[in-house]
Amino acid sequence: AAGVIQSPRHLIKEKRETATLKCYPIPRHDTVYWYQQGPGQDPQFLISFYEKMQSDKGSIPDRFSAQQFSDYHSELNMSSLELGDSALYFCASRFRRQQGLGDNEQFFGPGTRLTVL
Amino acid sequence: AQRVTQPEKLLSVFKGAPVELKCNYSYSGSPELFWYVQYSRQRLQLLLRHISRESIKGFTADLNKGETSFHLKKPFAQEEDSAMYYCALSRRQAGTALIFGKGTTLSVSS
Repeated sequence: AAGVIQSPRHLIKEKRETATLKCYPIPRHDTVYWYQQGPGQDPQFLISFYEKMQSDKGSIPDRFSAQQFSDYHSELNMSSLELGDSALYFCASRFRRQQGLGDNEQFFGPGTRLTVL
Repeated sequence: AQRVTQPEKLLSVFKGAPVELKCNYSYSGSPELFWYVQYSRQRLQLLLRHISRESIKGFTADLNKGETSFHLKKPFAQEEDSAMYYCALSRRQAGTALIFGKGTTLSVSS
């Protein structure tokens, strides 16, 4: 079965540069979540989208923005990169329109490892 | 404040021994609780959720609202259970994000 795809797998940038991370959800999934996992840390929620609209916002810095496109893929844009942005960025997706009690399972991608030098 | 606490960073057991990974949560309301597992070099996968009350790969977890706990248990650990385990919660509302604990590394050796 198709899983969540993230691109690129690894990315190395320098301070003050920009980066764009892409997430392709499982076909028919309409909701996308972005999480950031720093070294030795738990995943922290950044932002989510449902039907191309932002649905929830977590600890996303103002330097970051994201959007969901008509084909439901999502991009996380990161500007003025800082050393502290080095982390594993996970994307997760779910099919919200088939919601039911307990149907809150999110399917995770393999992550993009961003290193800021 | 919503919080998930996994007090053990590392749990090391021998094969065949019982395992209990602890998870406590703080939440004002009725949360959904999950256990996610991450095997080496693989993505996060859902292992269990409290709503379904199922046993996966021999693991079970019971939600104890009085103690606000959702401990993960397995009577006989296997080497292939070695992985990072995350306890997570979300609001009982469609589309809400997960709040993760810091994770517990389970190491099972023979």
